[in-house]
Amino acid sequence: RKEVEQDPGPFNVPEGATVAFNCTYSNSASQSFFWYRQDCRKEPKLLMSVYSSGNEDGRFTAQLNRASQYISLLIRDSKLSDSATYLCVVTVGGRDYGRGNEKLTFGTGTRLTIIP
Amino acid sequence: DTAVSQTPKYLVTQMGNDKSIKCEQNLGHDTMYWYKQDSKKFLKIMFSYNNKELIINETVPNRFSPKSPDKAHLNLHINSLELGDSAVYFCASSQDLRATNEQFFGPGTRLTVL
Repeated sequence: RKEVEQDPGPFNVPEGATVAFNCTYSNSASQSFFWYRQDCRKEPKLLMSVYSSGNEDGRFTAQLNRASQYISLLIRDSKLSDSATYLCVVTVGGRDYGRGNEKLTFGTGTRLTIIP
Repeated sequence: DTAVSQTPKYLVTQMGNDKSIKCEQNLGHDTMYWYKQDSKKFLKIMFSYNNKELIINETVPNRFSPKSPDKAHLNLHINSLELGDSAVYFCASSQDLRATNEQFFGPGTRLTVL
């Protein structure tokens, strides 16, 4: 089983629609959670961190369910500029958590295309 | 004023050659990373350095040798290139080792081994 699993898509969604992505992770010791965004042939960029209580940043809402080891991202009122690949990212602590052994583990990404 | 820069952007070379990729960050960060993104877009960490010290070596073949002359630079040298090394290599940096920190990625180096 992959450490971080995402539906690869592609998701083709009309402009203005709401779209949701899910992600599951296998290691219950995972400590930190993020969504990164990667445009075609570009580098990944942080979209938002994911907190246990859930968090919102404008049109974007992230949720974390530790019991089910599940993370979600909701995009409301989607824009053409939201077209990208969305990467679910978790960290797992090493033997000495906080000493730098932890690493970002990326899902393979979900490709989203917003259609005019 | 690019935060994390890499050179070259594209690298096409023959199997068996040795090549280097350079990375520099001007963010004043302590920690730098190398990632490999393969043809299936899977992004995987290779190395991390903190203040020039190797922290993570993710079972990468020893043909890959990172070098950090100072905390603003992390270069990657690859010996005896193989077809399977073809990928996009991303350098990244973060403020320090804490996993909660945002990582800032360079634009990537697209390596093609023929």
